[in-house]
Formats: sequence, structure tokens, C-alpha cells
Amino acid sequence: DVKVTQSSRYLVKRTGEKVFLECVQDMDHENMFWYRQDPGLGLRLIYFSYDVKMKEKGDIPEGYSVSREKKERFSLILESASTNQTSMYLCASSLSFSGDIKLGGYTFGSGTRLTVV
Amino acid sequence: ELKVEQNPLFLSMQEGKNYTIYCNYSTTSDRLYWYRQDPGKSLESLFVLLSNGAVKQEGRLMASLDTKARLSTLHITAAVHDLSATYFCAVDIFSGGGADGLTFGKGTHLIIQP
Repeated sequence: DVKVTQSSRYLVKRTGEKVFLECVQDMDHENMFWYRQDPGLGLRLIYFSYDVKMKEKGDIPEGYSVSREKKERFSLILESASTNQTSMYLCASSLSFSGDIKLGGYTFGSGTRLTVV
Repeated sequence: ELKVEQNPLFLSMQEGKNYTIYCNYSTTSDRLYWYRQDPGKSLESLFVLLSNGAVKQEGRLMASLDTKARLSTLHITAAVHDLSATYFCAVDIFSGGGADGLTFGKGTHLIIQP
């Protein structure tokens, strides 16, 4: 069974800390994504990556960075955590598309609920 | 900018009734997705709709896509309590490097009462 694994289910961090959220997929997917989910706002894309060492900003990248050193791992970094970054963070991966064939969909991890105090 | 609007955002209904959730999106999209989310859980994929007129059914749920109207519907037939959840629609667009990620609607919080 294909999997996207997020290393922590719950995290509590202090304001100003540097926070790493880790995501690993075992499906050999090219694309990986980080979303945050907030009540009333739905899911919003923070960053995504097409390939190793590549990254693209999503809709709300401010205050975040990412790292993709290996194909299977995509890390979200909060450089200096703030209380407005308290949220549920979801990682996802997908296959790329090849020519006219659009493959597969997105697989989501179980989420990390981050609280910044 | 791609926008996705769902309605209603909240729906309370009785078991046995039928209802439809609507999803409008603002620009041409490659794929339309429906997800289910239970409280505290991640997203479960329900349907992926690829082309105009596509219709998919699973149990009491049926999804359809009208790309000309930029509209998808999720129809619930003879609702049962177990279908209580939040339902999201989402669309994505491909660019040269691959999928640019999903843009989600705000979700429809569905409560089905006995």
C-alpha cells in the first residue's frame, strides 16, 4: 500500500523556534507538496517540488522554506515559528505526467498538528 | 488565479434524503477531485474526474463534471449517518514541470442525522 508518512502527528513549539516538519513517500513520486489547513479557509498550498533540489512557491510561502535533498523526502521549515503558524500541516505527493497520459492522483499524509505557543 | 467555490459550506440532512454539493472553478483545469475528511483525519480520495461529462459512482456517492460550465457535483443518494464528514473538491493545473498542486474549495461540512 502506498504511503506518505509525516514524522510527527502533534508538535508543540515555542515562538521563535526553528521547526522542521518531515514528509517521506515510498511511491517514487516526482511531485511533493505542503499544505496547511485552517478552519474556514480550507487547504492552502505553501510550497511544492517537481524534483530533487527543486522548489516552487505556492499561495502562502511567507514564513516557510522547504528542502528536498532526496526524491522521497520533502521537509517544511518554519524559520522562526510564530503563533499564526499554528495549524494542521498536510504533505502530499503525486506522479508527474508523461506526454498525453495523466497519471494518478495525490496521496496525502496523516497530517501534523502544530501548536506554537 | 484559480479559484474553487463550494456550496453549501454546511449541510445538515436526515438519513434517507438526497442532496447535491456543488463545486465551481474559475479557469480551465486538467482534473477535478473529490475528497472526504473525517474529524482529525487526513484526506481520503473519493473521485478523480478527467473529462467533460465524466461520471463516477461509489456506493451512495456520485460525482460528475461539466468542464464547459466549470462545475462538478457530488450527489448523495439515500444518505446514511456514516457519510457524515467534510467533503472537499479540488482542481489542478499542469505546467511544464508537472502538477502545480491542488487548489481546494473551502469544504462542505455534512452532518447526517438519524
